[in-house]
Amino acid sequence: GENVEQHPSTLSVQEGDSAVIKCTYSDSASNYFPWYKQELGKRPQLIIDIRSNVGEKKDQRIAVTLNKTAKHFSLHITETQPEDSAVYFCAVLSGSARQLTFGSGTQLTVLP
Amino acid sequence: DAGVIQSPRHEVTEMGQEVTLRCKPISGHDYLFWYRQTMMRGLELLIYFNNNVPIDDSGMPEDRFSAKMPNASFSTLKIQPSEPRDSAVYFCASSPGGVGYEQYFGPGTRLTVT
Repeated sequence: GENVEQHPSTLSVQEGDSAVIKCTYSDSASNYFPWYKQELGKRPQLIIDIRSNVGEKKDQRIAVTLNKTAKHFSLHITETQPEDSAVYFCAVLSGSARQLTFGSGTQLTVLP
Repeated sequence: DAGVIQSPRHEVTEMGQEVTLRCKPISGHDYLFWYRQTMMRGLELLIYFNNNVPIDDSGMPEDRFSAKMPNASFSTLKIQPSEPRDSAVYFCASSPGGVGYEQYFGPGTRLTVT
């Protein structure tokens, strides 16, 4: 089955700095890569996603990049704000599977 | 739309008791997912339905777990008998387009089995 690794597990940045979270996957046929944000005690919510026919996607301060050759994709948050503090999960839909496989999560803390 | 609705929000029960979690997906969404979240294992898919039919239940941990979707607006996840290791947050999610599209999560049910 699909193997998804997410790094780092925790990340602290100063307000205004950038944050980068990386995920690697094993199935080269994977074709859908969403990122979910989960605030403490809340539900996961989709913040951005990318498909395998696109290398980069941006939405205001958030961007995702995909390197299909290396089988990794990254979440970039610029100009971080305290409200960005949350756990971020990557996920992968592999070519053969019919379900998403989630990464282990990254606890992002933005220090004021 | 009110979003995905789950009940109860919190459930505390004793080992050996039956637990039933309920979910109402967003109207018009054909896919419904049940997830379990723990610190140790993260977010795990248990089972999902398409048009009320179970598609993949490979994540259901054992026979003590069962899920049904009798109609498009209601699903249940049942644990019988419950064990302390079942303690977790159980999320229901729905999607209009399938696995490769945004999944809208409910608020979750925090289950504690003592």
